[in-house]
Amino acid sequence: SAVISQKPSRDICQRGTSLTIQCQVDSQVTMMFWYRQQPGQSLTLIATANQGSEATYESGFVIDKFPISRPNLTFSTLTVSNMSPEDSSIYLCSVVGQGRTEAFFGQGTRLTVV
Amino acid sequence: AQTVTQSQPEMSVQEAETVTLSCTYDTSESDYYLFWYKQPPSRQMILVIRQEAYKQQNATENRFSVNFQKAAKSFSLKISDSQLGDAAMYFCAYRITGANSKLTFGKGITLSVRP
Repeated sequence: SAVISQKPSRDICQRGTSLTIQCQVDSQVTMMFWYRQQPGQSLTLIATANQGSEATYESGFVIDKFPISRPNLTFSTLTVSNMSPEDSSIYLCSVVGQGRTEAFFGQGTRLTVV
Repeated sequence: AQTVTQSQPEMSVQEAETVTLSCTYDTSESDYYLFWYKQPPSRQMILVIRQEAYKQQNATENRFSVNFQKAAKSFSLKISDSQLGDAAMYFCAYRITGANSKLTFGKGITLSVRP
């Protein structure tokens, strides 16, 4: 299975600021995804990070609020911009390896906006 | 659109006993994958088991097995000889075949294990 390093693991941020979350994989992967999860709830897909092109966003999520980069096949970032307390959540990176069917997840970033 | 339904929000099992977690899904596709993921309090999502829709044989991984009923669109997870470490949130997930397809998750079920 892929080894995924997601940083930071947690952060407390002031409203109006931005936070960038990094996801590094130890091998080249086909797909990279970003999810949001409220405590005790299911995962909601924010976007699919596309290598070398703009991310594909799900309904309700926009690039201005959640800009995503994926410069190569092993690394992606998610930025949560102009944060408000409603952005307090867990953010997870997920990858699907080449020729694989299952997805693997990073450890998650617990974000608290005050 | 594909949907995954986990209708039981919580379940409890006695240590060493067997428990079954239910999951149903809705799809018009014939070729897809189904998964069960475990999320303990550490929040790390862990793959428990996967099933390819084209396979009739139910998947098994040690104490974990599934009952896959394709016609009924049902995919339940059986945990045998439950251990305290099995306490977690469990998510059923679905993904169609294809390199660019995404996972669709159920709402999850919280499993507690009584010592």
